[in-house]
Amino acid sequence: TQLLEQSPQFLSIQEGENLTVYCNSSSVFSSLQWYRQEPGEGPVLLVTVVTGGEVKKLKRLTFQFGDARKDSSLHITAAQPGDTGLYLCAVFVTSGSRLTFGEGTQLTVNP
Amino acid sequence: DTGVSQDPRHKITKRGQNVTFRCDPISEHNRLYWYRQTLGQGPEFLTYFQNEAQLEKSRLLSDRFSAERPKGSFSTLEIQRTEQGDSAMYLCASSLDATRGYGYTFGSGTRLTVV
Repeated sequence: TQLLEQSPQFLSIQEGENLTVYCNSSSVFSSLQWYRQEPGEGPVLLVTVVTGGEVKKLKRLTFQFGDARKDSSLHITAAQPGDTGLYLCAVFVTSGSRLTFGEGTQLTVNP
Repeated sequence: DTGVSQDPRHKITKRGQNVTFRCDPISEHNRLYWYRQTLGQGPEFLTYFQNEAQLEKSRLLSDRFSAERPKGSFSTLEIQRTEQGDSAMYLCASSLDATRGYGYTFGSGTRLTVV
């Protein structure tokens, strides 16, 4: 079983629509990170959430860390074709170790 | 600093050949990581270094894979006797001390195709 379950696995929407993707686990984490990866490139860090219930906004992207620090969501408002990519959540399983990634949500925004 | 550099970007090799990839991290970063990624999947951990010390190696990594980071600067990942199942994107990343949960800076990866 995967440590981090991301859903949906694939999402195809029209420009201007809103969407939410999820990252869930049965484990508690001290922090969680979201990355976006474009085809042929490495992932790029979007945000780190640390506190349970924390909400962070990055332009049209809103990230939330669950109260129990077991899950997180990413909401995109008025999606644009430039938002297309693989969205990955990742955690440090133990402090000072290395990141474990989820399988990702592949988002396609059609013009 | 130009970020994390990986070389080559693409490599096509015949089954059974050896290949070596190079990663140049951000100079201030003491941690360096190698991940492997297949199409549409998340990155899978291979190994990581703190300075020149290799701190962890994935149990999934066969003895055909070896990584080095001499002098704590650049790193190389070698795959011996390549197999078709080794075809993937090999990603390198670097970070500051992970005890503070810093994010990673990834390179653009090396796409390996074994034919």
